[in-house]
Amino acid sequence: QEQLVESGGGVVQPGRSLRLSCAASGFTFNNYVIHWVRQAPGKGLEWVAVTWFDGNDKYYADSVRGRFTISRDNSNNTIYLHMNSLRAEDTAVYYCARQRVVGASFDSWGQGSLVTVSS
Amino acid sequence: NFVLTQPHSVSESPGKTVTISCTRSSGSIASHYVQWYQQRPGSAPRVVIYEDNERPSGVPSRFSGSIDSSSNSASLTISGLRAEDEADYYCQSYDGSVTWVFGGGTELTVL
Repeated sequence: QEQLVESGGGVVQPGRSLRLSCAASGFTFNNYVIHWVRQAPGKGLEWVAVTWFDGNDKYYADSVRGRFTISRDNSNNTIYLHMNSLRAEDTAVYYCARQRVVGASFDSWGQGSLVTVSS
Repeated sequence: NFVLTQPHSVSESPGKTVTISCTRSSGSIASHYVQWYQQRPGSAPRVVIYEDNERPSGVPSRFSGSIDSSSNSASLTISGLRAEDEADYYCQSYDGSVTWVFGGGTELTVL
């Protein structure tokens, strides 16, 4: 069964750091581009970052560029999102999502991990 | 970057047909595929339409997608509405500069 499972969320103070993990199973992990997408409470979906198959190519939304870093460990089928200099507006449920092999749709999503930035 | 604009909410009765629009602010709607995601309360999104009008396996044929270059918009149509279709729906496309854009979402209420 193909699955993505996020972990690492929690409450963190503004300016501090947090690392999210996304563990994949049930599919050939290094054949897929993986994204992070977030959703602030009561708000819509916002694309955050993407990592390509080998982890060398990474791209970010303007709102997080320079503060967040996406990485992947293909030996452990895991994606990470390192979040630094966190702000209140980063409070959201963070989802990892798999991009379909052909095309641009996100065909598999994790259940999400809640990050709350608050003093 | 462009913006994808959706109506904030739509509502319709069971058995009827509803259409949700997604208008692209700049650039051609046809330049990159549009996807549609359904998100029920407390759940992760799931794709219901990809590449403008393709349905993943497991998505009922009541769901269909299209694009209209004259209005620079995409549409998600759900026919034979059921209570289980009540959810938020998001359109999404790729902007060509390695960023992905989501619409603001539309809340569908089945009356």
